[in-house]
Amino acid sequence: KQEVTQIPAALSVPEGENLVLNCSFTDSAIYNLQWFRQDPGKGLTSLLLIQSSQREQTSGRLNASLDKSSGRSTLYIAASQPGDSATYLCAVKGGEGAGGTSYGKLTFGQGTILTVHP
Amino acid sequence: NAGVTQTPKFQVLKTGQSMTLQCAQDMNHNSMYWYRQDPGMGLRLIYYSASEGTTDKGEVPNGYNVSRLNKREFSLRLESAAPSQTSVYFCASSEGSGGGIQYFGAGTRLSVL
Repeated sequence: KQEVTQIPAALSVPEGENLVLNCSFTDSAIYNLQWFRQDPGKGLTSLLLIQSSQREQTSGRLNASLDKSSGRSTLYIAASQPGDSATYLCAVKGGEGAGGTSYGKLTFGQGTILTVHP
Repeated sequence: NAGVTQTPKFQVLKTGQSMTLQCAQDMNHNSMYWYRQDPGMGLRLIYYSASEGTTDKGEVPNGYNVSRLNKREFSLRLESAAPSQTSVYFCASSEGSGGGIQYFGAGTRLSVL
């Protein structure tokens, strides 16, 4: 069974810092990995999706890397801003070899609560 | 851009009552999902539908039923609500057979007393 762990559980930083959020998964046979953002009381917003064949994806100040063989992904946020404060969730989708019923299913980590203070 | 719309946003039920959570997407996606989010447990998949007319169980299907009414709509029904079903429920959709980005609704906050 796939398990996803995110470290740290919470992070508080001053505005302007560059920071790294970590995600690890136990089964390297993944189809893709997604990073989401969740604001309090809201739904999830997809930030980046990395296919299993890719090493990284970038969007603005965000960069996500994937090392499938070691079961790790990192989300790098450059020049953090108070508006980045939210919970960041990592989710992996099972690969084709994991069986037909796992296709399309995401396994989520518990998230990292990020607070960026002015 | 409506995206994924869930109704209701909030609901309070008594133990044993039934209700249906509604979800609709306007992105012409084939795949739709229902998740629940609980403190300390993260998001867990309840049911999913890879295409119109098909549904499959996820990680925590007990106590729930689903209906893929058409391509747009995917409903989740609690036949006899229990306090353990107090949670935040999210509907999501993705194009194709599930390999792409999943788009989430704003959630339904359900309390069962």
